[in-house]
Amino acid sequence: GAVVSQHPSWVICKSGTSVKIECRSLDFQATTMFWYRQFPKQSLMLMATSNEGSKATYEQGVEKDKFLINHASLTLSTLTVTSAHPEDSSFYICSAGAGSGNQPQHFGDGTRLSIL
Amino acid sequence: GESVGLHLPTLSVQEGDNSIINCAYSNSASDYFIWYKQESGKGPQFIIDIRSNMDKRQGQRVTVLLNKTVKHLSLQIAATQPGDSAVYFCAETEAGTASKLTFGTGTRLQVTL
Repeated sequence: GAVVSQHPSWVICKSGTSVKIECRSLDFQATTMFWYRQFPKQSLMLMATSNEGSKATYEQGVEKDKFLINHASLTLSTLTVTSAHPEDSSFYICSAGAGSGNQPQHFGDGTRLSIL
Repeated sequence: GESVGLHLPTLSVQEGDNSIINCAYSNSASDYFIWYKQESGKGPQFIIDIRSNMDKRQGQRVTVLLNKTVKHLSLQIAATQPGDSAVYFCAETEAGTASKLTFGTGTRLQVTL
């Protein structure tokens, strides 16, 4: 089945640091990838839709200057949390679909971000 | 629907019994529904999906039922096993949204021996 790889799986850094998370589709091309955020014991909240070769589409309330998304190829999207602060600590998950429309998304294993 | 609250509802089931996990959705325009399983510290894993032109779909040990009239979705797991213990999420999307998903609040399934 479709495999989505996310890296790193876990990162701890100091407040004010910028952190980059990578999401790769390993065996298929993804024109669209999605970035979610999940707090403990809560559901996934969509942050943004990453579009290959164009600007990302952000959900309401998500700061695009805070969460920079780059989707430069059909197999890689990156999320950069700029000047991270403790309130940015969360579980970040990406997903990708192998096609457009009604196709199941496949998820990476997430990145646990802890800001000290 | 949106996720609210800090505590996931929990369903406790004895090993070997059948499990039924329910989900209500609010968007009548949604036409594609997916169930995901999420184990601790991992991303959601696809289980089964169903389109709005169907009311039932079966997989291996799992069945999804869709009732569009009352906007209700359920996941049935037959002969529940300890490995089924996880959090289960329903997700929905509507046509033209390039598979943008809205997740339900989730249900924790605990399988007891």
